[in-house]
Amino acid sequence: GQQVMQIPQYQHVQEGEDFTTYCNSSTTLSNIQWYKQRPGGHPVFLIQLVKSGEVKKQKRLTFQFGEAKKNSSLHITATQTTDVGTYFCAGEGTYKYIFGTGTRLKVLA
Amino acid sequence: KAGVTQTPRYLIKTRGQQVTLSCSPISGHRSVSWYQQTPGQGLQFLFEYFSETQRNKGNFPGRFSGRQFSNSRSEMNVSTLELGDSALYLCASSLGQGSGGTEKLFFGSGTQLSVL
Repeated sequence: GQQVMQIPQYQHVQEGEDFTTYCNSSTTLSNIQWYKQRPGGHPVFLIQLVKSGEVKKQKRLTFQFGEAKKNSSLHITATQTTDVGTYFCAGEGTYKYIFGTGTRLKVLA
Repeated sequence: KAGVTQTPRYLIKTRGQQVTLSCSPISGHRSVSWYQQTPGQGLQFLFEYFSETQRNKGNFPGRFSGRQFSNSRSEMNVSTLELGDSALYLCASSLGQGSGGTEKLFFGSGTQLSVL
């Protein structure tokens, strides 16, 4: 069945360093969403990408959708302690969205 | 606008018991989907309800069931609980106009279920 994998599983960075998480689907996606879940919290929608090669920015966050629409990335520039949490990508599957395994980000002050 | 409300926040049950979880979506949202979140498996899709009908179903055993009422509130039931059912159960609401994952999901805070 369709799978959405994310790497890395965990990432520890020093505050101020950059961070990138990658999302890879076994099948072509019509769109992809990104969510952030703070520790002890629930997933919160960040963004949706639809077009091949699309790049969107939200302040220090940059999201990309691959040309083949099978992969995506989230890049955070100059991380802050408020960026701590787990970042999930979600791709359209047979059953609503299939969520990636998530990347847990820890930011060391 | 009130967010998605899930009750109860925490539940402790023993093996063999059954449990019912509740989810009230954002006003105007007609789709409610349920997810099981565990540290090892991430977010796994259980089912989705739209206008009181189950529209999609994930790969979970029949012990997991749900329903949706005319006011879009949804309940999820798990019968004959097993230790492996311990997880955070999240519901998410959306407008329900799209299909197959084209909409932004709004998640509730979840119900943390512990099975002893």
